[in-house]
Amino acid sequence: AQSVTQPDIHITVSEGASLELRCNYSYGATPYLFWYVQSPGQGLQLLLKYFSGDTLVQGIKGFEAEFKRSQSSFNLRKPSVHWSDAAEYFCAVGARSGGYNKLIFGAGTRLAVHP
Amino acid sequence: EAQVTQNPRYLITVTGKKLTVTCSQNMNHEYMSWYRQDPGLGLRQIYYSMNVEVTDKGDVPEGYKVSRKEKRNFPLILESPSPNQTSLYFCASQGAGGNSYEQYFGPGTRLTVT
Repeated sequence: AQSVTQPDIHITVSEGASLELRCNYSYGATPYLFWYVQSPGQGLQLLLKYFSGDTLVQGIKGFEAEFKRSQSSFNLRKPSVHWSDAAEYFCAVGARSGGYNKLIFGAGTRLAVHP
Repeated sequence: EAQVTQNPRYLITVTGKKLTVTCSQNMNHEYMSWYRQDPGLGLRQIYYSMNVEVTDKGDVPEGYKVSRKEKRNFPLILESPSPNQTSLYFCASQGAGGNSYEQYFGPGTRLTVT
């Protein structure tokens, strides 16, 4: 069965430090992969997505993610974190189910940013 | 502006009192979904709809009902809410098509059942 694992429940970084959020997926075919961000009191906003092609994808707000098929991973990175990046981040894999394209989400990683 | 709206944003109710959370999208999307978000569990799909009058269960449908009488609206109904349905609820919409997995989310409804 398809699944997504985000090993880190909470991460704390200092403002200006680099960031990497981990995501591992389980899916038999070529995956469609997504990262969403949920700021406090807000809905989910798409940061970036991978469908095919270049395994390093760029997203909004200076984020990027790298698809590594051999490791079944899709880790999210940012070279320099800003205080406004404090939020919860969700990794998701797209899965075909009975004619419907569904998303399967990980449990999320909550990011705190120290000044 | 393309958006998904939900109402109400916050709701406190008592066990057994029927309630409805509304969801509307203005993107003419075929697919709509309801999720609940609980700490440590991420988002879990409750129900989804592939078009008007076409709905199906997601991963956690027990205790919920939905309807899709119009393309833009997808209300979530709790006929007899219980405390274990206290959660943050999100509505989402997506377009049809082979590679269309991207979902657009509403702002969320925080429900407390006492």
